[in-house]
Amino acid sequence: DAKTTQPNSMESNEEEPVHLPCNHSTISGTDYIHWYRQLPSQGPEYVIHGLTSNVNNRMASLAIAEDRKSSTLILHRATLRDAAVYYCIPLNNNDMRFGAGTRLTVKP
Amino acid sequence: ETGVTQSPTHLIKTRGQQVTLRCSSQSGHNTVSWYQQALGQGPQFIFQYYREEENGRGNFPPRFSGLQFPNYSSELNVNALELDDSALYLCASSRTGGATDTQYFGPGTRLTVL
Repeated sequence: DAKTTQPNSMESNEEEPVHLPCNHSTISGTDYIHWYRQLPSQGPEYVIHGLTSNVNNRMASLAIAEDRKSSTLILHRATLRDAAVYYCIPLNNNDMRFGAGTRLTVKP
Repeated sequence: ETGVTQSPTHLIKTRGQQVTLRCSSQSGHNTVSWYQQALGQGPQFIFQYYREEENGRGNFPPRFSGLQFPNYSSELNVNALELDDSALYLCASSRTGGATDTQYFGPGTRLTVL
C-alpha cells in the first residue's frame, strides 16, 4: 500500500489560495489519488480525485506531478468553512487508507 | 436524496460487552464501508460490504464483524469490547466501492468503552 506524507498543519488567510501538498512516492501505476476532508464533528467528505491529469471541480483543483509521486490540492480562495483536516489517499481498490492528514486553519 | 445515517449517535459500554452499530446507506448505493477513528487520528478501514458480501477487510480482529441487508443497510458488531475500542465509528456508502467511486460518510457513532 502506498504511504503518504502530509504536513501536520497549515495556516491560511481567508480569501487567499491554499496549496496542500502530499507526497506518495510509493504509489502504484493504478492508484487513483483521492482527497477527502473532515470538518469538525463530521464524517469525511469527498473533495476531488485524479489519476494522471490535473483535475478541477467546484471545490478545488488537483495538481498531480508528472511522476505521480506527489500531488497538491489547491483551494483557490479559502473560506472559514474550509477549516478542516485534509487527507490524500492513493486508492486502487476498496481499501481507503487515511493517514493523519493536514489540519488547515483559516484566519479571518 | 437521503444521506448516510448512523445510529445511535453516542453509546457507552463496559469492557467485555457486545455492541451493534447501524448504518443506512444513501439511496442507490449498494456498498457500505466501515471505519474506526480514534481521537486525533485518521479513520482506519475495518471492512466493506458489497451486495451483502464482505468485500475486503482491514487489520481488525474477528471480533469485529458485520452484516449487510437486502436494502443495503449495514450493521457493525463488536464482541468482547476492549478499552481501545473507544472511538468514532464511521460508515460510508458508495455505488460500487471501486477506486473511482466517491464514498459518502455518515456522521458517525461515538463509542465509549469503560
